Amino acid sequence: EAGVTQFPSHSVIEKGQTVTLRCDPISGHDNLYWYRRVMGKEIKFLLHFVKESKQDESGMPNNRFLAERTGGTYSTLKVQPAELEDSGVYFCASSQELGGLGETQYFGPGTRLLVL
Amino acid sequence: RKEVEQDPGPFNVPEGATVAFNCTYSNSASQSFFWYRQDCRKEPKLLMSVYSSGNEDGRFTAQLNRASQYISLLIRDSKLSDSATYLCVVITSGTYKYIFGTGTRLKVLA
Repeated sequence: EAGVTQFPSHSVIEKGQTVTLRCDPISGHDNLYWYRRVMGKEIKFLLHFVKESKQDESGMPNNRFLAERTGGTYSTLKVQPAELEDSGVYFCASSQELGGLGETQYFGPGTRLLVL
Repeated sequence: RKEVEQDPGPFNVPEGATVAFNCTYSNSASQSFFWYRQDCRKEPKLLMSVYSSGNEDGRFTAQLNRASQYISLLIRDSKLSDSATYLCVVITSGTYKYIFGTGTRLKVLA
């Protein structure tokens, strides 16, 4: 079974540019999460989709970040315009269920974003 | 105060040693607990869930102490391949998001 995949693996952009990150969850997983780790800090939650709906977007830092999951399959996270403090590793995760044994989240390899 | 706190280490231990990590959480409404392992520049991978009764998986044992609000991970007979960062993860009741600690680095030395 394929795991969570993310594209690109790395992105280097200049301040003010736009970047779009993509996540493909494990097939059949309705729950998709975005997290971010900035240097020296812990991994922090950004938002959670159940199918195509945003269940919780309490971790989104500001309105420069836009996440979508049209059709309830893959998701994109767009940063526009990017700022220096957006640099970090963006992880996507998916889970089969909410609560119970199926709540375990499986993580993708991450996208390393560097804003210059 | 962070919601989930871990000693960042590093813990440097010889092969074959037993090592224990603790993690404290501040929200008494926390309901689910996990240990994840993260290798350098890789994604976090589930090591084990932590149950109230404690659970064991081979050389790894996890314990939960709700009264004192901490979870622990014990690794027996350490292997070189156990070198990694161990992440404590908590889910608060009514939410589904993971709350991470900063991780504890373990280096097992030959």
